[in-house]
Amino acid sequence: GDSVTQMEGPVTLSEEAFLTINCTYTATGYPSLFWYVQYPGEGLQLLLKATKADDKGSNKGFEATYRKETTSFHLEKGSVQVSDSAVYFCALTRGDSNYQLIWGAGTKLIIKP
Amino acid sequence: NAGVTQTPKFQVLKTGQSMTLQCAQDMNHNSMYWYRQDPGMGLRLIYYSASEGTTDKGEVPNGYNVSRLNKREFSLRLESAAPSQTSVYFCASSVQREAYNEQFFGPGTRLTVL
Repeated sequence: GDSVTQMEGPVTLSEEAFLTINCTYTATGYPSLFWYVQYPGEGLQLLLKATKADDKGSNKGFEATYRKETTSFHLEKGSVQVSDSAVYFCALTRGDSNYQLIWGAGTKLIIKP
Repeated sequence: NAGVTQTPKFQVLKTGQSMTLQCAQDMNHNSMYWYRQDPGMGLRLIYYSASEGTTDKGEVPNGYNVSRLNKREFSLRLESAAPSQTSVYFCASSVQREAYNEQFFGPGTRLTVL
């Protein structure tokens, strides 16, 4: 079945470092791909999305490109801030449903000043 | 505009007790969801409601029941709680954008079953 694999955390970086969080997927058809972020004590919120191959999603300095050939959707940011500390979830739409999502396990990001 | 609200925020139950988790959204969304979040496992869908008056099982429905009370409210009931149901529970609602469906989450309920 469809699945999402994310790199295990926690990922600890210094402020202004470059960030990559890896996400790969297995899916039938052509899913949409998402990154959601969960700040401490809050629910998840959509960070960015891509709905077809080669699309690049971007928001708040974060970017991710839908790579069908490598089945990946890695999250990147050029210069992280302490306020980016959160848990990041990669997700895709389930093949037979536009509104049900398959979730990765989440990657905790810790940014030190 | 409160978004998605959940009550309670924390709850401790003894094995065999029952409880209902409440969820409400004020965004006029048709679809609502209940997830559980366990360490290292991401979110797993318990039940969802595509529209008012309908509910369907998700990935892990056993031990739970739901009620879509109206368009705003979607409750999750544990009839006889078990330690395996210790988890963080999230309610969500969603809206269909042009090419994708965006989900909005409540702050979660942390449930411990002793």
